[in-house]
Amino acid sequence: DAGVIQSPRHEVTEMGQEVTLRCKPISGHDYLFWYRQTMMRGLELLIYFNNNVPIDDSGMPEDRFSAKMPNASFSTLKIQPSEPRDSAVYFCASSLNVNTEAFFGQGTRLTVV
Amino acid sequence: KNEVEQSPQNLTAQEGEFITINCSYSVGISALHWLQQHPGGGIVSLFMLSSGKKKHGRLIATINIQEKHSSLHITASHPRDSAVYICAVRPITSGTYKYIFGTGTRLKVLA
Repeated sequence: DAGVIQSPRHEVTEMGQEVTLRCKPISGHDYLFWYRQTMMRGLELLIYFNNNVPIDDSGMPEDRFSAKMPNASFSTLKIQPSEPRDSAVYFCASSLNVNTEAFFGQGTRLTVV
Repeated sequence: KNEVEQSPQNLTAQEGEFITINCSYSVGISALHWLQQHPGGGIVSLFMLSSGKKKHGRLIATINIQEKHSSLHITASHPRDSAVYICAVRPITSGTYKYIFGTGTRLKVLA
């Protein structure tokens, strides 16, 4: 397996535009996580899914953020409209179950200007 | 006060030295992770612990649940160990698979 795959690796967009980040988890993993990393706040969990169902979205900052997992091999994190304070690195991770380690993607570096 | 505290924040060592990074937390936990973030930004999960000790190559992780403390040790350090090491805990009361992250320890190993 190629590991967790995220796209794009880098995204630069103008304030107000819609941004969609994509993630392909490792095949067979039941859990998928979206994290955000900033210098100020470090790593934060935004949302996670179990068997494609969102379980905890309490970390999603506001209604501008939404995440979906239409099937076991694909998830998206959408920001609409984007703001400069959304600039961060967004990581997707997956794990087999709650008692196993998580595997991280390479991250998407988002810059909103 | 942060619920997860790491020390030191920054560490510079000479190649070959034995390194210890500490993580203290203030909540009851069901699991603790050690993560490694490379200079390029990628994150690798090193260990997941709920008790005792784990070893992988030159890395050793220990946890003392009663003292709410974990350590990550690197033996015979090498420049390629240079990275940020992040401790993350899963509170036992969270009811979800939600981790609290430390701010990381930035390690630089000099050749």
